Amino acid sequence: DAGITQSPRYKITETGRQVTLMCHQTWSHSYMFWYRQDLGHGLRLIYYSAAADITDKGEVPDGYVVSRSKTENFPLTLESATRSQTSVYFCASTTSEGGTQYFGPGTRLTVL
Amino acid sequence: GENVEQHPSTLSVQEGDSAVIKCTYSDSASNYFPWYKQELGKGPQLIIDIRSNVGEKKDQRIAVTLNKTAKHFSLHITETQPEDSAVYFCAGRNTGFQKLVFGTGTRLLVSP
Repeated sequence: DAGITQSPRYKITETGRQVTLMCHQTWSHSYMFWYRQDLGHGLRLIYYSAAADITDKGEVPDGYVVSRSKTENFPLTLESATRSQTSVYFCASTTSEGGTQYFGPGTRLTVL
Repeated sequence: GENVEQHPSTLSVQEGDSAVIKCTYSDSASNYFPWYKQELGKGPQLIIDIRSNVGEKKDQRIAVTLNKTAKHFSLHITETQPEDSAVYFCAGRNTGFQKLVFGTGTRLLVSP
């Protein structure tokens, strides 16, 4: 049972490049989330999805794009990476309303 | 929207001592309060949660208390062990929403 996985685990890129972070879950959870973790800010929600083809903005969506064509996948794309997007990114998923959120292992992204 | 504040940001205790981490929330409609533990290099993992119809919940050495009137909740760890060393996050959520709002985290260090 793989649960929720993220790839890559580490990524170094340059300013202006497009980067896609992948998230895959094997539980068929309806809801999926993307967070970024920065020192002093805790975990902040970037985007979330209630089901395939349904996405909505979180607290810090600027500079990010998401899609969800399949229930199990929820990729996060930085269309033109900036240094301020250097962070650790976590994907999470949960069942219907009220469920526990389960987090992936994270992707450490460095933008030079 | 909801705002969750967490204190202290760092906490050092001796093995066997108790540790208490406190969080306050702003939205009186919030009714679900989970606590997550994050070990180095890993994603956050749920350790205990409490809903607004309960004042206290215990699970072995950990407990959570909730004061709805004062809008604060606390994590209590008794008989701390070195493996309790980690970053702990509190969070709050409103009825009908899947979005969690996290505190900024507490780094707990348990010295042998």
